[in-house]
Amino acid sequence: DFVMTQSPLSLPVTPGEPASISCRSSQSLLHNNGRNYLDWYLQKPGQSPHLLIYLGSIRASGVPDRFSGSGSGTDFTLKISRVEAEDVGVYYCMQGLQTPSSFGQGTKLEI
Amino acid sequence: QLRLQESGPGLVKASETLSLACTVSGDSINSSPYHWGWIRQSPGKGLEWIGSLFKSGSTYYNPSLKSRVTMSVDTSKDQFSLELRSVTAADTAIYYCARALYSVSSGLDPWGQGTLVTVSS
Repeated sequence: DFVMTQSPLSLPVTPGEPASISCRSSQSLLHNNGRNYLDWYLQKPGQSPHLLIYLGSIRASGVPDRFSGSGSGTDFTLKISRVEAEDVGVYYCMQGLQTPSSFGQGTKLEI
Repeated sequence: QLRLQESGPGLVKASETLSLACTVSGDSINSSPYHWGWIRQSPGKGLEWIGSLFKSGSTYYNPSLKSRVTMSVDTSKDQFSLELRSVTAADTAIYYCARALYSVSSGLDPWGQGTLVTVSS
């Protein structure tokens, strides 16, 4: 199985400042179609998770452009260019290259 | 707008079967090219992918649960279901259903609101 490791697990930030979360996979997530099967999700307090980024770098519908995903193979990064108060919550990466899909431990972003 | 809603008992006795349904509105499972899945979240294990299915009835299960899980689809009701047998306290979790935008289990969007299932002894 694929093991997903996120860092940091806790991320205090100041509004207006950038933030970055790392996700590392135990195996490459690069499909032979050239896409990386890596998603990012945000779970706001009291809500279910929602999709932010899929295939490593594609923003989901309605996601602000301050969110960006990058990386390839085993190392990925989610960046927030300027954090806003509404961005607080827990961020998860998830691999979808092979079943069973697996999630990282989560990174709690706090203002 | 596509919405998913989980339903089922919030309390299940240990050793019995957990049964949940996910109702899809705003789209038709039968005309959809996507897979549909179940994910759970417990304090001890974080987010765990349970399995996915397609409208044809093809299923994909997490090997860690495979011996106890059955997923099925009822396209006439735009519903898909989860059964988890022989539950224990470790199966206490919030259970979510979601659509997979690409491949079998990736790009999960949207998610249902989730339903808390507690296993009692």
